[in-house]
Amino acid sequence: RKEVEQDPGPFNVPEGATVAFNCTYSNSASQSFFWYRQDCRKEPKLLMSVYSSGNEDGRFTAQLNRASQYISLLIRDSKLSDSATYLCVVNDGATNKLIFGTGTLLAVQP
Amino acid sequence: GAGVSQSPSNKVTEKGKDVELRCDPISGHTALYWYRQSLGQGLEFLIYFQGNSAPDKSGLPSDRFSAERTGGSVSTLTIQRTQQEDSAVYLCASSSSGSFRGTEAFFGQGTRLTVV
Repeated sequence: RKEVEQDPGPFNVPEGATVAFNCTYSNSASQSFFWYRQDCRKEPKLLMSVYSSGNEDGRFTAQLNRASQYISLLIRDSKLSDSATYLCVVNDGATNKLIFGTGTLLAVQP
Repeated sequence: GAGVSQSPSNKVTEKGKDVELRCDPISGHTALYWYRQSLGQGLEFLIYFQGNSAPDKSGLPSDRFSAERTGGSVSTLTIQRTQQEDSAVYLCASSSSGSFRGTEAFFGQGTRLTVV
């Protein structure tokens, strides 16, 4: 089993749609969780951290379910500019090493 | 500098030659990562340095790959006897994690390696 698993997609959605991505992780000792965004031919950049209580940043909402060991990202009112690959990131509880999922590709259509 | 710096940004080399890729992390960051990314693929973990601990080399694909981090700062990834399948973007990232809860990693812009 992979340490961090994501549906690779692609998710093709129309502008204005709401889309949700899930990610599961295997290490119950993980303590830090993030969503990164990677545009085509660019480096990954932090989108948002994920906190136990859930957190929101504008149109983006991140949730953490420790019991089921999954993380979610909800994007409301999708924009064309949201088209990118979204990477789920979890730390290794023992070494603090950040482990990246392979990403979910989102394509927002006009 | 303000961010993670990688050099060169592009490198074209002949099959069989050795190459060195450099990463200058954010000052004070104790953790440093190297990843490889082929076109259209996800990040492939290569190696992780954390402070003075022994590096996690579990992602290095063969003994042709090695990396050093001198003085806890600059890192060099060396690929010996390059092969065409080594062609990819090599990304470096650094993080200030050193406590129980890690912090996010910041990436450089990568080195695009082409082996011809």
